[in-house]
Amino acid sequence: NAGVTQTPKFQVLKTGQSMTLQCAQDMNHNSMYWYRQDPGMGLRLIYYSASEGTTDKGEVPNGYNVSRLNKREFSLRLESAAPSQTSVYFCASSLRGVEQFFGPGTRLTVL
Amino acid sequence: AQSVTQLGSHVSVSEGALVLLRCNYSSSVPPYLFWYVQYPNQGLQLLLKYTTGATLVKGINGFEAEFKKSETSFHLTKPSAHMSDAAEYFCAVTHSGAGSYQLTFGKGTKLSVIP
Repeated sequence: NAGVTQTPKFQVLKTGQSMTLQCAQDMNHNSMYWYRQDPGMGLRLIYYSASEGTTDKGEVPNGYNVSRLNKREFSLRLESAAPSQTSVYFCASSLRGVEQFFGPGTRLTVL
Repeated sequence: AQSVTQLGSHVSVSEGALVLLRCNYSSSVPPYLFWYVQYPNQGLQLLLKYTTGATLVKGINGFEAEFKKSETSFHLTKPSAHMSDAAEYFCAVTHSGAGSYQLTFGKGTKLSVIP
């Protein structure tokens, strides 16, 4: 099993560009999550999906949209990237939400 | 609302010395508590978790943590530090909402091990 995979690993954008971060899990988990990690801030929840077909905002949703494409895949979209969105993005999944498994992360720089 | 406070953003210990990383939480309901470890340029890996039952929990790599309800603490310890323990450690508390549990993380403690 690959666990949780994320693409791309690195990305550089210019202000105003758009992009989609992809996440997939092969553990048949119901819940999936997107976090951002910034120095000294820990991880903050952007959006989550409790189950296929549902999505909800987390702590810092502004500037982002998500799609739960199917049970395996959960994507995060930046419609118009801003320098404040420079961060490391982590996707996670969980069977019942108590224990979460994390992907390797996507390092995004917005110039 | 849940919150997690990790005391000390950086902790340095000598190789072979005791590791103690502090975590205090606030929660209006009995919490589930976690410690995750992050090695450089990697994702987060679960070290240990407390859900119910025994308050002293053992995890991977010789780490353990004790849930103390009266102190609202969940400190992480290891009797003897190894160079490979150098990483960032995150304490987290979970809470339920909208059909799923959500994690609230502390800001992290970076552990350095001095040879």
